[in-house]
Amino acid sequence: DTAVSQTPKYLVTQMGNDKSIKCEQNLGHDTMYWYKQDSKKFLKIMFSYNNKELIINETVPNRFSPKSPDKAHLNLHINSLELGDSAVYFCASSHRPGTGAYEQYFGPGTRLTVT
Amino acid sequence: DAKTTQPNSMESNEEEPVHLPCNHSTISGTDYIHWYRQLPSQGPEYVIHGLTSNVNNRMASLAIAEDRKSSTLILHRATLRDAAVYYCITSKLQGAQKLVFGQGTRLTINP
Repeated sequence: DTAVSQTPKYLVTQMGNDKSIKCEQNLGHDTMYWYKQDSKKFLKIMFSYNNKELIINETVPNRFSPKSPDKAHLNLHINSLELGDSAVYFCASSHRPGTGAYEQYFGPGTRLTVT
Repeated sequence: DAKTTQPNSMESNEEEPVHLPCNHSTISGTDYIHWYRQLPSQGPEYVIHGLTSNVNNRMASLAIAEDRKSSTLILHRATLRDAAVYYCITSKLQGAQKLVFGQGTRLTINP
């Protein structure tokens, strides 16, 4: 069973389009994250949700909007796609952050190519 | 979160131990030390984490310096599957867990 899954695995689209990436976890975690890994391989956190509540919101363009319909899902919607949005997007999940450290489990990634 | 410094790359031989160093000289007393790795074309994978004491798990050992300004990830017997980029990360004890990935150490394992 896949712990953290993402769809699609590859996404090729044109500038100006709107697209969504879906993420689901079956680990029973209540916190989920979106990370972006650019062409230089730097991995940066974008958002984090805990129990459907946004708890981390890094400096990300408003064109990116995360949506969490329930604890097991965190989708990423991107409006008006730009060339610079091309990257690999990783979803992750963990137990509720608080006191202590919990390992994050990452999905396989979605490679987005904007042409 | 404290900045971490790691060598860009390291090389080792299969079935030999590997010691991956990390400096985090500005770490605070309440920051955890995490290690993740990323195999080619995969998402990052948790390896180990610790606060003050050395830690062991089935994947690796984490040796933390007494002053906590540095740590070493130890792979006891490297295999080809251990070839990956290894990231050393610090995070706050409390609050939202934001992992800030640096450039990591690219580990090459020779057969």
